[in-house]
Amino acid sequence: DAGITQSPRHKVTETGTPVTLRCHQTENHRYMYWYRQDPGHGLRLIHYSYGVKDTDKGEVSDGYSVSRSKTEDFLLTLESATSSQTSVYFCATGRDGSNSPLHFGNGTRLTVT
Amino acid sequence: DAKTTQPPSMDCAEGRAANLPCNHSTISGNEYVYWYRQIHSQGPQYIIHGLKNNETNEMASLIITEDRKSSTLILPHATLRDTAVYYCIVRGNAGGTSYGKLTFGQGTILTVHP
Repeated sequence: DAGITQSPRHKVTETGTPVTLRCHQTENHRYMYWYRQDPGHGLRLIHYSYGVKDTDKGEVSDGYSVSRSKTEDFLLTLESATSSQTSVYFCATGRDGSNSPLHFGNGTRLTVT
Repeated sequence: DAKTTQPPSMDCAEGRAANLPCNHSTISGNEYVYWYRQIHSQGPQYIIHGLKNNETNEMASLIITEDRKSSTLILPHATLRDTAVYYCIVRGNAGGTSYGKLTFGQGTILTVHP
């Protein structure tokens, strides 16, 4: 949807290893967001970006960092993965303002063993 | 962002209209009401949004009360493929400190049965 590609789609990694998830968009949207979804918690915002090199923390940002060096890519990095970061991660993009909807990617399923 | 309240679950017969309610009594004047749905483990899908007028698109209709404290999403002819979790979200202005982000609640599980 809206030209959003998340990679990888699935990943299994070991505790303590670094992991980077990528969100790529082709719509030239200004805003980009990373969410995680866990049973019993719904979708929670991790980090978001309001422009190139402009990022900020969401409600569950501990243990995560992000980077946005160009409009089309928003990277989410787990510096040292933990089992509590096993989750499904969704990227979303928005054009501008509150009158244009956010569109979501198909998600990355991450398992930390 | 204003908090929303939705029933945890609803049922609907195939072919009938599904009416999903949402309360958002603390909504501010410049906040939009958005509806999304999520089918199984797919990414949330945008359905419709509105500020204060009723809205209709190819998927659904959105009815917002005059005082804007509640709204109803209407799926006019529900099908089995409409079985999903439906989220009602009040969204802050991207020009403000919320940067247009969406805050998801628990949503309503809609089950459409034959």
